[in-house]
Amino acid sequence: GAVVSQHPSRVICKSGTSVKIECRSLDFQATTMFWYRQFPKQSLMLMATSNEGSKATYEQGVEKDKFLINHASLTLSTLTVTSAHPEDSSFYICSARDLRTSGTDTQYFGPGTRLTVL
Amino acid sequence: RKEVEQDPGPFNVPEGATVAFNCTYSNSASQSFFWYRQDCRKEPKLLMSVYSSGNEDGRFTAQLNRASQYISLLIRDSKLSDSATYLCVVTTGGTSYGKLTFGQGTILTVHP
Repeated sequence: GAVVSQHPSRVICKSGTSVKIECRSLDFQATTMFWYRQFPKQSLMLMATSNEGSKATYEQGVEKDKFLINHASLTLSTLTVTSAHPEDSSFYICSARDLRTSGTDTQYFGPGTRLTVL
Repeated sequence: RKEVEQDPGPFNVPEGATVAFNCTYSNSASQSFFWYRQDCRKEPKLLMSVYSSGNEDGRFTAQLNRASQYISLLIRDSKLSDSATYLCVVTTGGTSYGKLTFGQGTILTVHP
């Protein structure tokens, strides 16, 4: 149990285009989903916390107008990178907290999406 | 100062060796502590939680020293499959409840 999927797993796009990444909890309901970004040889950095039915909370330095997050249901959150530029190329990973274990810090990670902006 | 600091390594050890990783955290209000493992180009996977009393899971032993704000991971009888990046992770409560803060990771390579 506790499987999180991400789609697409890899995307290559031209500079200036927008890219949408989906994060789904497949066998549980997620009250909260998190979006992370990982640059080469660096650790994961939290970008934003997404709660179902409410606005996402962004970490300092993350532009909310550039990284649009929608958490429309308890099993789906989307991250849209708007007007992507080469510096946005990174590994984007989501995680989800199971509603049944919401009193703990347990998070389940998706397999990640590798974005390359040309 | 980084919130979670680790020696990035790399650690290169032969099969069967014992290797130890250390981690320090700066926020004394941190509440939960974990070690994650991340393989190249993959998502991180939970290896084990860390408790003050220390905990062991097979060849892996984790220890937490709250007074020193220090976390350790010991791997005994290293296997080739243990080669990965090991991430020290902490969470804090309050408004940051559930927020995982990752260290930069320690790279381990186990060779034959």
